[in-house]
Amino acid sequence: AQTVTQSQPEMSVQEAETVTLSCTYDTSENNYYLFWYKQPPSRQMILVIRQEAYKQQNATENRFSVNFQKAAKSFSLKISDSQLGDTAMYFCALRSEKLVFGKGTKLTVNP
Amino acid sequence: EAQVTQNPRYLITVTGKKLTVTCSQNMNHEYMSWYRQDPGLGLRQIYYSMNVEVTDKGDVPEGYKVSRKEKRNFPLILESPSPNQTSLYFCASSPGQLYSPLHFGNGTRLTVT
Repeated sequence: AQTVTQSQPEMSVQEAETVTLSCTYDTSENNYYLFWYKQPPSRQMILVIRQEAYKQQNATENRFSVNFQKAAKSFSLKISDSQLGDTAMYFCALRSEKLVFGKGTKLTVNP
Repeated sequence: EAQVTQNPRYLITVTGKKLTVTCSQNMNHEYMSWYRQDPGLGLRQIYYSMNVEVTDKGDVPEGYKVSRKEKRNFPLILESPSPNQTSLYFCASSPGQLYSPLHFGNGTRLTVT
């Protein structure tokens, strides 16, 4: 069975600061991919970043980057220079045949 | 415009009255799936389909049915809805490859009284 755990139900950060959201996972598959999705109050699901499990290099998308530790089965998301528009629920997800989501972290960016 | 279209966006119904939530995608994606989102539980997969005429149960399939007669459509059917199916539902699609991210519909807020 695949599981994804997000241990921080809620977090807050000041505008322009950096915040890291944690995610750990478990799978017996060798071939899988990891994703972070963002869900703003509009409830749309938006892809933030993805990571191939076979790649050691951490993925980066502008202000968003991941720290992927395969041996530890850890996949944290770092948001630099936080903006008010980053306020949202963030979901970590693991995909092999199925796509399994964590329970989410509610991030609030304060002015 | 490439998109996943779900209808309706909001639905209020009564226990036992059959309903269908439609989902259609115009990207020729092989993979389609349904999720329900509940506070504190994240998104849980209900059913998924790897291609036409192929469907499989996700983690919470009880009380739901799906069909995949055409590549673009993947309706979610609740034959006899119950209050514990009150939730926010998402349809999503992607190409068949694992690295492909999901494209989500805008969600359907279902209330069963």
